[in-house]
Amino acid sequence: TQLLEQSPQFLSIQEGENLTVYCNSSSVFSSLQWYRQEPGEGPVLLVTVVTGGEVKKLKRLTFQFGDARKDSSLHITAAQPGDTGLYLCAGASGNQFYFGTGTSLTVIP
Amino acid sequence: GAVVSQHPSWVICKSGTSVKIECRSLDFQATTMFWYRQFPKQSLMLMATSNEGSKATYEQGVEKDKFLINHASLTLSTLTVTSAHPEDSSFYICSVWAGELFFGEGSRLTVL
Repeated sequence: TQLLEQSPQFLSIQEGENLTVYCNSSSVFSSLQWYRQEPGEGPVLLVTVVTGGEVKKLKRLTFQFGDARKDSSLHITAAQPGDTGLYLCAGASGNQFYFGTGTSLTVIP
Repeated sequence: GAVVSQHPSWVICKSGTSVKIECRSLDFQATTMFWYRQFPKQSLMLMATSNEGSKATYEQGVEKDKFLINHASLTLSTLTVTSAHPEDSSFYICSVWAGELFFGEGSRLTVL
């Protein structure tokens, strides 16, 4: 069962543009994580957010956890070709983790 | 952190045969491992939670007899796809929780 919906599903932008990816759920999670995955490899953790309303910045990436801990967003400033990949959010529920539907980002040089 | 290794990375088999995929936690004793399945450009679907020394917990809709999971030690969990069919072709990934999720490299299964 897919508990988290991401939007958009696919995104193709020019280098230098900004973008936002959304992760929404009707469930409350104790924490939420964002991952980036390259083809043929396992996901790599970008950030974990725990507190409702929390904002974390990682260079050009800004992550926000919704006040109710049901949703999150990832904002990328001045996207670069190296940002290309599949972005996944994942919510922790008990001792299990459920992944969002994924957002495939392509940054065109 | 934890280093997680999967083997094999690629496997091609004939329809009707069984395939075993190994997931090893190289530097962390993992009582729990997770198995995911992923189709191209799609997200990871949790298949089951592997528990060391006990039965795996399968997600709804995942056939227990089809996807056999064994977690015999703190460093090894195996996923066996029994009587594989072309629709079982997918990317299978395992992960270990060690403060955060650490993933293996994934195993791509192609069933002819």
